[in-house]
Amino acid sequence: GEDVEQSLFLSVREGDSSVINCTYTDSSSTYLYWYKQEPGAGLQLLTYIFSNMDMKQDQRLTVLLNKKDKHLSLRIADTQTGDSAIYFCAVRDDKIIFGKGTRLHILP
Amino acid sequence: EAQVTQNPRYLITVTGKKLTVTCSQNMNHEYMSWYRQDPGLGLRQIYYSMNVEVTDKGDVPEGYKVSRKEKRNFPLILESPSPNQTSLYFCASSLLTDTEAFFGQGTRLTVV
Repeated sequence: GEDVEQSLFLSVREGDSSVINCTYTDSSSTYLYWYKQEPGAGLQLLTYIFSNMDMKQDQRLTVLLNKKDKHLSLRIADTQTGDSAIYFCAVRDDKIIFGKGTRLHILP
Repeated sequence: EAQVTQNPRYLITVTGKKLTVTCSQNMNHEYMSWYRQDPGLGLRQIYYSMNVEVTDKGDVPEGYKVSRKEKRNFPLILESPSPNQTSLYFCASSLLTDTEAFFGQGTRLTVV
């Protein structure tokens, strides 16, 4: 079945860029998603990319999609303390399949 | 305000005592689902529903039941809870299978 992999932890200094990577096995997903989970809260859709796009930029967020390598990344520019959260990569066929989440820790 | 509402937010119960976690959405979404989130395992889907009276098993359905008698509600039922069902549970809904999913705030369940 579909598998979505991402590293579990990432530490970044405040002001630097964060890059969270994700790989997936199924290429039939129309949309690929990044969800953010803040402490004690549910998941919120952060951004998404349509499968026929290579890049999507939304303010401080840049999503890159390499369909050939089945690789998705999320770049957060000028990382702030409020960006501290768990970030989930997700793909979708008949259901959403999530990665295990990357916990982003911001260093002062 | 568009939202998915779960209740309760926190629940401590004893083994074998039946419980229900409610989920309600006000967006007229067709698709609803339940997930459990466990450390190191991420989110795993328990059950999902494509529409009223249509429910299907997800990846970890054992020990759970659901019902979808009306579009807005999708309760999760644990007939005889066990300690291995201690987890953080999320309900989600979306208009279609391929559109943004909205999540509830989560229910932290502890079974002792």
